[in-house]
Amino acid sequence: DQQVKQNSPSLSVQEGRISILNCDYTNSMFDYFLWYKKYPAEGPTFLISISSIKDKNEDGRFTVFLNKSAKHLSLHIVPSQPGDSAVYFCAASAKHYGQNFVFGPGTRLSVLP
Amino acid sequence: EAQVTQNPRYLITVTGKKLTVTCSQNMNHEYMSWYRQDPGLGLRQIYYSMNVEVTDKGDVPEGYKVSRKEKRNFPLILESPSPNQTSLYFCASSLKGLAGERFYEQYFGPGTRLTVT
Repeated sequence: DQQVKQNSPSLSVQEGRISILNCDYTNSMFDYFLWYKKYPAEGPTFLISISSIKDKNEDGRFTVFLNKSAKHLSLHIVPSQPGDSAVYFCAASAKHYGQNFVFGPGTRLSVLP
Repeated sequence: EAQVTQNPRYLITVTGKKLTVTCSQNMNHEYMSWYRQDPGLGLRQIYYSMNVEVTDKGDVPEGYKVSRKEKRNFPLILESPSPNQTSLYFCASSLKGLAGERFYEQYFGPGTRLTVT
């Protein structure tokens, strides 16, 4: 059973609008979460992270929100740009697990010009 | 340039023929890891290494071996590949292995697409 779920395999948004990518997790031990972005034929690259002691982290156009009670996090991209078109992976870990992260299946974002 | 390199990038082989995928990082990172990516499953960890001579199993270690004789290199060995090991493989590294009070983002290589017929 997947501990990290991204229930939307794909998402399309218009350039300039907001993109919202969602992630749910089942393991209450998880206390650190990351988002990675992946372009075709490249490895994933780190985008943004959040610790469970926070409920929001912002970096430029990217904001991650964490709702611990719902075991849910979301990545907001505002405004969306065509270069944001990629697969986005949510990953989770816990201090107990060290640097071992559990990844979700990914959401393919297409930003239409 | 700080990077993780993998070789080969593409490999087609036959069942049972031993192969090695190399991984090297030039960032003096302690932690290295191997993942496989399959459709609908995301990235699943195969093996990881906290430091030289320290390796441990991830979620899907069956059919794989690793070694960490030097800090910079972490090869993935398939002694007897089978078709269910056809996948996209990623090597990753991060500065530290133990989280302590912070987590360290992982840097990924470009991937190795392996096909076993």
